[in-house]
Amino acid sequence: EAQVTQNPRYLITVTGKKLTVTCSQNMNHEYMSWYRQDPGLGLRQIYYSMNVEVTDKGDVPEGYKVSRKEKRNFPLILESPSPNQTSLYFCASSLHPTPHNEQFFGPGTRLTVL
Amino acid sequence: KNEVEQSPQNLTAQEGEFITINCSYSVGISALHWLQQHPGGGIVSLFMLSSGKKKHGRLIATINIQEKHSSLHITASHPRDSAVYICAVRRGGGADGLTFGKGTHLIIQP
Repeated sequence: EAQVTQNPRYLITVTGKKLTVTCSQNMNHEYMSWYRQDPGLGLRQIYYSMNVEVTDKGDVPEGYKVSRKEKRNFPLILESPSPNQTSLYFCASSLHPTPHNEQFFGPGTRLTVL
Repeated sequence: KNEVEQSPQNLTAQEGEFITINCSYSVGISALHWLQQHPGGGIVSLFMLSSGKKKHGRLIATINIQEKHSSLHITASHPRDSAVYICAVRRGGGADGLTFGKGTHLIIQP
């Protein structure tokens, strides 16, 4: 089944403890992206990647890192999480980095930073 | 002012009613997406538009590039249509990400 998977789905952690949220897609998509969703603010893009070893900042990249060493994986790294990074995170992918490709979303990761 | 504005923010309707959700944007775009977020949180893509009109089942999406406006219509609405509907635009012609509206929370009552 074609899908985008994220792990973990739920995570409660403490300030400063490094964490990684994994994202993997099995559709051989070139474009992958991370978003966060917050009440009243909607979805906002954190980082995106147009292909292996190519990443770029979105609208809210501060406090996050990403890497794209393999086409299928695009992990989101929080080196020193803070409470303002408590949010619902979505990974998404599309076939090509062009405007007309459908985006496929992962199921979301709900992160709480205490 | 947000680059992507949706209206209404909340909408409650009776089963069978014709539903319209609006999206206005203030930037040049290469494509507009309509997304549906289920009560459980999952997001699915409904439509991508760069011009004209698209139809899928009971859902119809239109876009007017000159007026920078798009509408999502649901005909013969059903309680299972209850969800948050999100408009998102892709700016320019490059591989920039999506800029999202804040969503319209739709409840269809039986």
